[in-house]
Amino acid sequence: AQSVTQLDSQVPVFEEAPVELRCNYSSSVSVYLFWYVQYPNQGLQLLLKYLSGSTLVKGINGFEAEFNKSQTSFHLRKPSVHISDTAEYFCAVRVTGGGNKLTFGTGTQLKVEL
Amino acid sequence: GAVVSQHPSWVICKSGTSVKIECRSLDFQATTMFWYRQFPKQSLMLMATSNEGSKATYEQGVEKDKFLINHASLTLSTLTVTSAHPEDSSFYICSASIRSGQGGGIYGYTFGSGTRLTVV
Repeated sequence: AQSVTQLDSQVPVFEEAPVELRCNYSSSVSVYLFWYVQYPNQGLQLLLKYLSGSTLVKGINGFEAEFNKSQTSFHLRKPSVHISDTAEYFCAVRVTGGGNKLTFGTGTQLKVEL
Repeated sequence: GAVVSQHPSWVICKSGTSVKIECRSLDFQATTMFWYRQFPKQSLMLMATSNEGSKATYEQGVEKDKFLINHASLTLSTLTVTSAHPEDSSFYICSASIRSGQGGGIYGYTFGSGTRLTVV
């Protein structure tokens, strides 16, 4: 069975600083990878996804992520964060042929401070 | 495109009563709907997967008689929490898979805005 590990439960960062949110997955087969953002009491909004092709994926709000198959990672990065980026971020994986279900990581709370 | 509308956004009910949560796909046909439960500061836990016109598939440990899922049409799926108790208080989120055309592969998922259920 696949699993997703988000190593950091909380990441504090100052505004305009760069940030990286880490995500590692375990799967013996091909995967699709997703990053979602959740604001308080709201559903999930897709930031970006990797299905195939270029390993560097650009998403909304200036976020990007790089799929690294050898390290089984899909870290999320932003070169300069804003106060409005404060939210919970979830990494998720879907295993090809695995019944279309998403498996989520435990989430990382990004807190941007002035 | 591919918007899922979830209602209500929040509900308070008395212990022992039932609550129905609706998710509607507004501009596409949702052949598959996923229902998640999220406790405070925790991740999303998949409760069940429903396909239009067939019985839902529940994850291990989820009581199918307590959490009734109906997916009778391609645009509507409902979750009914029966005989709710305080421990059922949680944030419930639905999600639909998005296909590339009819019968195409899944290339994404769209989520409802969630329902905060409080049982008193």
